[in-house]
Amino acid sequence: QVQLQESGPGLVKPSQTLSLTCTVSGDSISRGGYYWTWIRQHPGKGLEWIGYIFYSGRTYYNPSLGSRVTISGDTSKNQFSLKLTSVTAADTAVYYCARGGSGRYFQHWGQGTLVTVSS
Amino acid sequence: SYVLTQPPSVSVAPGQTASITCGKDNIGSQSVHWYQQKPGQAPVLVVYDDSDRPSGIPERFSGSNSGNTATLTVSRVEAGDEADYFCQVWDSSSEHRSWVFGGGTKLTVL
Repeated sequence: QVQLQESGPGLVKPSQTLSLTCTVSGDSISRGGYYWTWIRQHPGKGLEWIGYIFYSGRTYYNPSLGSRVTISGDTSKNQFSLKLTSVTAADTAVYYCARGGSGRYFQHWGQGTLVTVSS
Repeated sequence: SYVLTQPPSVSVAPGQTASITCGKDNIGSQSVHWYQQKPGQAPVLVVYDDSDRPSGIPERFSGSNSGNTATLTVSRVEAGDEADYFCQVWDSSSEHRSWVFGGGTKLTVL
């Protein structure tokens, strides 16, 4: 049973860096074929993918977020992390981590964590 | 990137059939996936690859995809089906490959 769990601060000040970690159990982030992905959902809105780290360590980010995003993995802890710099109120959202497979859909999601950007 | 167009809301009486559409030019050439999201919960995959169901998803949930429209059909709707539904595709056509989600449809059970 694959499980993902987000953790990190629920409140971040404007211009600072949002940092979240996703802890994976029941699977290994270094096992072949999966995209370990961050997705966010603005309050009352749709879903927006942020980026992913592939099992090989390759990363890819949503161009709309530019260079503000960094995703990294820690295979020793079976975790992957998100850093989003220079946040504004527009980055207030529920952040999910999820596992995507070769079919490019997401069958496994974390429960999500609300991050509010406010002074 | 492009937009997947969904109706904001669909209403249906219990026991009836709900159809939720997802539109895009030539979406029939892509695989479409559908998620159900209840308030305060993470999305749940209910249909993948146009019409396949993950284990544990009732047969009442089905999907189709042709031409410019993909459709999620919920048969014999129950009160517990009330939720937001999102469609999703993988866009490999452009320089910037990406996941694309529809804006979501709120299914209301009358």
